[in-house]
Amino acid sequence: DIQMTQSPSSLSASVGDRVTITCQASQDISNYLNWYQQKPGKAPKLLIYDASNLETGVPSRFSGSGSGTDFTFTISSLQPEDIATYYCQQYDNLHPLTFGGGTKVEIK
Amino acid sequence: EVQLVESGGGLVQPGGSLRLSCAASGFTFSSYWMSWVRQAPGKGLEWVANIKQDGSEKYYVDSVKGRFTISRDNAKNSLYLQMNSLRAEDTAVYYCARASYYYDSSGYYYHYFDYWGQGTLVTVSS
Repeated sequence: DIQMTQSPSSLSASVGDRVTITCQASQDISNYLNWYQQKPGKAPKLLIYDASNLETGVPSRFSGSGSGTDFTFTISSLQPEDIATYYCQQYDNLHPLTFGGGTKVEIK
Repeated sequence: EVQLVESGGGLVQPGGSLRLSCAASGFTFSSYWMSWVRQAPGKGLEWVANIKQDGSEKYYVDSVKGRFTISRDNAKNSLYLQMNSLRAEDTAVYYCARASYYYDSSGYYYHYFDYWGQGTLVTVSS
C-alpha cells in the first residue's frame, strides 16, 4: 500500500496569510494526487485533482503542485471560511486508495 | 443536482450485521464507479470499498475483506454495503462517494471523488 504523510498535522494562521501543506507519498505516484477539504460535521469536498487541477467552482486562492513523491497544497490568502481539515489522497494504486492523515487549519 | 443520501447506520453489537444504503440522484448512476469511505470519530478518511459501473469488479481494503460486501442496483440507483462480523474498530461515519474515473487520449487516467453523501454513523458497541 502507498502511505501518504501530511505535514503539519495542524496549523494556525491569520486571515490573509499564505498557508502551505505538504504531502509525501511513500513511492512515486506521478501526478496521481487529489486534495479535499472537510469542514466540521460535513462531508469532504474535492478541491484539486491530478495534483494541480482546480475543481470547477473552487476559489482560485487554492492551488496544488508537485509530482513524484512530494506535493504541496497552498491557500494564497487564508479566509475565515477556509477553516477545515485538508486531506491529500493518492490514486496511483487504486486498490487501496489511500489518504493522508489530514491537516487541520485554524485561524490565529 | 447530484445527490447521494446514505441510510441504515445505527448501533450494533460486536459480531452483528448492518446494511447501509446510498440513494443516488441527479446523474446517470450506472455510468460511475462508486465507493464507500469511512471516518472513525476524530480520525482521518479511509477508503473501504468500490464497485465498477456494472458490478463486475469489487475491491476492498484489507481490514474488511471477507466481512463487508459492496453491491449496487442500477435500476434503483442505489449502492449498498453489507457489513457482517462487525468490530468496535468499524465504528465510523460511512460516506457514499461517486468516483469520476476516466482516461484521456494519451492513456493518462484520473480518479477522484467528486460527490459525497452526508454520511451515516455506524457504532459497534455492547
